[in-house]
Amino acid sequence: ELKVEQNPLFLSMQEGKNYTIYCNYSTTSDRLYWYRQDPGKSLESLFVLLSNGAVKQEGRLMASLDTKARLSTLHITAAVHDLSATYFCAVTETSGSRLTFGEGTQLTVNP
Amino acid sequence: DADVTQTPRNRITKTGKRIMLECSQTKGHDRMYWYRQDPGLGLRLIYYSFDVKDINKGEISDGYSVSRQAQAKFSLSLESAIPNQTALYFCATSDPSGTAYSSYNEQFFGPGTRLTVL
Repeated sequence: ELKVEQNPLFLSMQEGKNYTIYCNYSTTSDRLYWYRQDPGKSLESLFVLLSNGAVKQEGRLMASLDTKARLSTLHITAAVHDLSATYFCAVTETSGSRLTFGEGTQLTVNP
Repeated sequence: DADVTQTPRNRITKTGKRIMLECSQTKGHDRMYWYRQDPGLGLRLIYYSFDVKDINKGEISDGYSVSRQAQAKFSLSLESAIPNQTALYFCATSDPSGTAYSSYNEQFFGPGTRLTVL
């Protein structure tokens, strides 16, 4: 059974600071996704990572994937208040199609 | 117009009542999914469908049933609602082919239905 764990689950940080959210998964996977959810809203796709060493960046967010370590990171650079949201990673087993989600990381960026 | 829509957006009901949540999509995707979200537990898959004739149970299907009326419509039913089914429910769609490998099976979510069972 595929398990996906995120840490930290809660993150409070100051504007301008850097931080990293970690996503570990338990079995072989060929696709990893990062989503953002604002309070009371739906999930918005941020990144799709498909191969070992993949790195994608959008604004102040950068995601990477290490399939050998079964680890993905979401790095936040110089955080701003608008990044406050819950971030989920989700993983698909190799050749599978079902997503298994992590618990989510609730990020709060304080002025 | 939204690509994935859900109705109702909010529903309060009583224990034992039958409830149907509906999902429609205009993305032309074959694959559709139902998830529930509970605080601290992320999203958990209830049922999924790869086409109109294909329905599969997810990790938490007990107490739920689904119907795929057409490629664009996928309904979730609670035959006899109970309080621990109070949650936020999301429908999602995906296209296994995609126009580029990077979009392979990426899931797109509806706005969600907040269900409260008293």
